[in-house]
Amino acid sequence: GQQVMQIPQYQHVQEGEDFTTYCNSSTTLSNIQWYKQRPGGHPVFLIQLVKSGEVKKQKRLTFQFGEAKKNSSLHITATQTTDVGTYFCAGPVNAGKSTFGDGTTLTVKP
Amino acid sequence: SQTIHQWPATLVQPVGSPLSLECTVEGTSNPNLYWYRQAAGRGLQLLFYSVGIGQISSEVPQNLSASRPQDRQFILSSKKLLLSDSGFYLCAWSVMENTEAFFGQGTRLTVV
Repeated sequence: GQQVMQIPQYQHVQEGEDFTTYCNSSTTLSNIQWYKQRPGGHPVFLIQLVKSGEVKKQKRLTFQFGEAKKNSSLHITATQTTDVGTYFCAGPVNAGKSTFGDGTTLTVKP
Repeated sequence: SQTIHQWPATLVQPVGSPLSLECTVEGTSNPNLYWYRQAAGRGLQLLFYSVGIGQISSEVPQNLSASRPQDRQFILSSKKLLLSDSGFYLCAWSVMENTEAFFGQGTRLTVV
């Protein structure tokens, strides 16, 4: 079936560096959601984007939804050790049910 | 406020034994309920979802089944576990399809 692709799979950064993860779908999405999963924890909802070209910010996190509503990105400015975890995007690709990407695992070196 | 409870947190079961994982939601009515499985270092695979009592949709053919005997109760079962059933099982709920999902703490299942 259709998938949501996420890159990169892993990202190692030095504390203070920026981080970006990208999410791509082969089909147009009505919305896209982002989640964060801390090591050993469960996914926690971060945000949902609905509008074409939408940009939302949460402190150091910036979320973007592409104009064609087929891609999205999450950018973290000046990473901190508390940012470690796996970031997932999810979109209604198959029959309206949300499909999760494989995630990008972020590690931050202090 | 709404809460979701999932138990047990960890489980070690022998091959061929049965399985029952329970999930309950409080503070909301008629939620959409989901069971996901996450392999180590991988994404979330949707196993089952339910939009109402007794209504179960299966996403992938497998050795597992799900039931929703009450509005806010979702159960994942197996009659005979396989080694390949090991993984991190997550229950989640949402108000509607494709809206934010709220996850339980997860059950880490190891089949030995």
